[in-house]
Amino acid sequence: SQQGEEDPQALSIQEGENATMNCSYKTSINNLQWYRQNSGRGLVHLILIRSNEREKHSGRLRVTLDTSKKSSSLLITASRAADTASYFCATEGSQGNLIFGKGTKLSVKP
Amino acid sequence: NAGVMQNPRHLVRRRGQEARLRCSPMKGHSHVYWYRQLPEEGLKFMVYLQKENIIDESGMPKERFSAEFPKEGPSILRIQQVVRGDSAAYFCASSAVKDSPLHFGNGTRLTVT
Repeated sequence: SQQGEEDPQALSIQEGENATMNCSYKTSINNLQWYRQNSGRGLVHLILIRSNEREKHSGRLRVTLDTSKKSSSLLITASRAADTASYFCATEGSQGNLIFGKGTKLSVKP
Repeated sequence: NAGVMQNPRHLVRRRGQEARLRCSPMKGHSHVYWYRQLPEEGLKFMVYLQKENIIDESGMPKERFSAEFPKEGPSILRIQQVVRGDSAAYFCASSAVKDSPLHFGNGTRLTVT
């Protein structure tokens, strides 16, 4: 069953602009993770935010978590063409496996 | 330090044949996860294994699919009597401990003709 749902499904922006992707989930969590997938490749872990954290930064990435709304957002600032990829949020299932959403496909035009 | 290695990268099978997909986790990782991805879709969880044990196989079809992670050697995802609907990319991921970030391989793309 789907736990996380990303929004929007697709996003197209110009280089230099900021990109914001949202994730909503259904059940309570210990942490939420964001991953990136370049075309034809495996996923790469970007950032993990714990349920007691509200915001976390890593380079040009900023992740927020609102447990009362069961939602998270990923902000990429000053986007580059190389940021073009699909972005997924993931939350843990009952046995410790990760459940992924359908992803947001980001296209950054030079 | 090699990452998660999956082979083969591409696999073509005729309907009714068997497909064997291999995954060598990162060194020191004892947790292995298999996922399936259809084009333009997210990853669907299939099975979670920890050395010699299946922890959660709730995402794996009951028939024709099986997975193992022996004490020695890679994890194997086996699909018997493949059908066209099995065509997809199959990704393996590993982690050192439960609840830690996953490291993914680059997948095996299975095409059933």
